[in-house]
Amino acid sequence: QKEVEQDPGPLSVPEGAIVSLNCTYSNSAFQYFMWYRQYSRKGPELLMYTYSSGNKEDGRFTAQVDKSSKYISLFIRDSQPSDSATYLCAMTPYNQGGKLIFGQGTELSVKP
Amino acid sequence: KAGVTQTPRYLIKTRGQQVTLSCSPISGHRSVSWYQQTPGQGLQFLFEYFSETQRNKGNFPGRFSGRQFSNSRSEMNVSTLELGDSALYLCASSWAGETQYFGPGTRLLVL
Repeated sequence: QKEVEQDPGPLSVPEGAIVSLNCTYSNSAFQYFMWYRQYSRKGPELLMYTYSSGNKEDGRFTAQVDKSSKYISLFIRDSQPSDSATYLCAMTPYNQGGKLIFGQGTELSVKP
Repeated sequence: KAGVTQTPRYLIKTRGQQVTLSCSPISGHRSVSWYQQTPGQGLQFLFEYFSETQRNKGNFPGRFSGRQFSNSRSEMNVSTLELGDSALYLCASSWAGETQYFGPGTRLLVL
């Protein structure tokens, strides 16, 4: 079983919809949580970063962490066709800075 | 600030050869991490260098190695290439290992 589980999708939504992306993890040592966006044939781009349980908002993006349930989410409001990409969750174990463990990525398509 | 740069962007090699990939981090960043991305396995951590020392290592065979120079630039080397080494190789830099910024990657094809 993978340390980080993420539904690969694909997920297709109409423009303007609220998108919910989720990851679960098994290792209690994970303490930093990130979401990356990757366009085709590009490197991942950091979207959100958090280390505590709760919500963190940045524009149309909200990251949510529930350490007790080992569950993280990314919400995208008012989704746009330009949001079409693969979204990857990533986590860092305690005291192993520099080592990211990634989920498989969810492929998102936002239709005009 | 300039982003993370990787060279070359594309490589074609044959089985048994070796390859060296280069990564220049964001100015001021001291940590460089390397990842392999394949359709089947996703993004997997190879190793991380911090101030010229390997600080963390993933579960890859010894054919995969790396180093970091005093200016924080990093190289990774793969010896005795196998078909399964075909992948996108990504490097990421950060100040101390936490918030990582990725380069565009080097796409390696092994024939």
